[in-house]
Amino acid sequence: DTGVSQDPRHKITKRGQNVTFRCDPISEHNRLYWYRQTLGQGPEFLTYFQNEAQLEKSRLLSDRFSAERPKGSFSTLEIQRTEQGDSAMYLCASSLDRGQHEQFFGPGTRLTVL
Amino acid sequence: AQSVTQPDIHITVSEGASLELRCNYSYGATPYLFWYVQSPGQGLQLLLKYFSGDTLVQGIKGFEAEFKRSQSSFNLRKPSVHWSDAAEYFCAVARGSGTYKYIFGTGTRLKVLA
Repeated sequence: DTGVSQDPRHKITKRGQNVTFRCDPISEHNRLYWYRQTLGQGPEFLTYFQNEAQLEKSRLLSDRFSAERPKGSFSTLEIQRTEQGDSAMYLCASSLDRGQHEQFFGPGTRLTVL
Repeated sequence: AQSVTQPDIHITVSEGASLELRCNYSYGATPYLFWYVQSPGQGLQLLLKYFSGDTLVQGIKGFEAEFKRSQSSFNLRKPSVHWSDAAEYFCAVARGSGTYKYIFGTGTRLKVLA
């Protein structure tokens, strides 16, 4: 399967712990996006990368959140000192940087903070 | 700023009946438009997309949508609903330049009665 993959699929953690999620985009895609989806809402944009450069961050991305894409391939999203309000589905998407830039979404990582 | 409105939070239809889910967007130019479906606990599945050209777009699973520039709408339709169509449906819009980030509506939850 050559689609977008995310790991883990589910994560349960206690408040105050740090968590890290990984996203592997489609191999030739140089744009990578992170979104967050809370219960009953549509996904909301968090940040995106063009190769290894993080070019835009949403105001939703507080200073407890950090994202990296060190070699322009996979990306990680870390949440430090998790809070119950961080419980959500975290979606990753990737696209080419030409044409319509159509995004392909991964299955998501569901985070539950107890 | 771009925004997407899905006026109906919940819709219930009988199996075999027709379906129309509404989507209105706010954007100064012609955006890219998408409809996604999400089953409980699952990721997003693309139903159809509009970038340009023919304003009536055919998608998977028998769905279609029509872009109406004058009404800033991109409503999703299906002539005969199947019980397996019960899910949540999201409309999304993207600007055709810059970030290309997707802005999602809050979703419409479809219930299908046997």
